[in-house]
Amino acid sequence: GQSLEQPSEVTAVEGAIVQINCTYQTSGFYGLSWYQQHDGGAPTFLSYNALDGLEETGRFSSFLSRSDSYGYLLLQELQMKDSASYFCAVRLRVQGDMRFGAGTRLTVKP
Amino acid sequence: NAGVTQTPKFQVLKTGQSMTLQCAQDMNHNSMYWYRQDPGMGLRLIYYSASEGTTDKGEVPNGYNVSRLNKREFSLRLESAAPSQTSVYFCASRDPDRGGSNSPLHFGNGTRLTVT
Repeated sequence: GQSLEQPSEVTAVEGAIVQINCTYQTSGFYGLSWYQQHDGGAPTFLSYNALDGLEETGRFSSFLSRSDSYGYLLLQELQMKDSASYFCAVRLRVQGDMRFGAGTRLTVKP
Repeated sequence: NAGVTQTPKFQVLKTGQSMTLQCAQDMNHNSMYWYRQDPGMGLRLIYYSASEGTTDKGEVPNGYNVSRLNKREFSLRLESAAPSQTSVYFCASRDPDRGGSNSPLHFGNGTRLTVT
C-alpha cells in the first residue's frame, strides 16, 4: 500500500518559522506537492517538488530528498492566517492518482 | 470563471438510499478526481479519471461508482448509502504537466454528506 506520514499537529507563535515534515512510501513517484486547507474550505495548492532541493514561493518553501523519501514545508514569518491544515501529496503516475497524507494542523498563536 | 463546481453542498440520506454527486469544471482539464475527507484521515482518493473516457479506482472505491460524462463532468454515485459513507466529498481537476512544470489540483468546495 501507499503511505505518507506527517505530524498531526504543530503549534507556533506569530513571526516564527515552522517546518512540517512528510515521509512517504509509495509504489510510484512523480513529485511531492503541498496543499493548505482552512477549516470549512477546500484544499489549495502551495508548492511542488519533482527534483531534489528547495523551492521557494514567498514565505513558503518546500524541500525534497528523493533518496530519503522525505520532504518538508517551511513556513516563515508566520501569520495568524496561516493557521490551517497542511497536506503533503504524492502523484503515483504521470497522469493522475494523487495520494494525500493525513494532514498537519498548524495553530499560530499571538 | 467558476473553476470546479460541486452540487449539492449538503445532503442527508437514510441508509440504503442512493444519490449522485455532481461535479463540473470549466477549465478544460483532462483529469478529474473524487476524494473523501474524514477527520484525522486526510483526503482519500475514491476514483479518478485521467482523461475523458477512462476511470480508475483509487484507495477507497468500494460502495461507489463514477461516470465521466464528458470532459467537463465527473459524477460520483452511491448506490446504497451506509453510515460509513458520512463524509465530506471533494471533486478536483488538473491538466497534464506542460513543459516540465507541475499542474496542481483545483478543488471544488465540497459536498457534506450525512447518512443516518
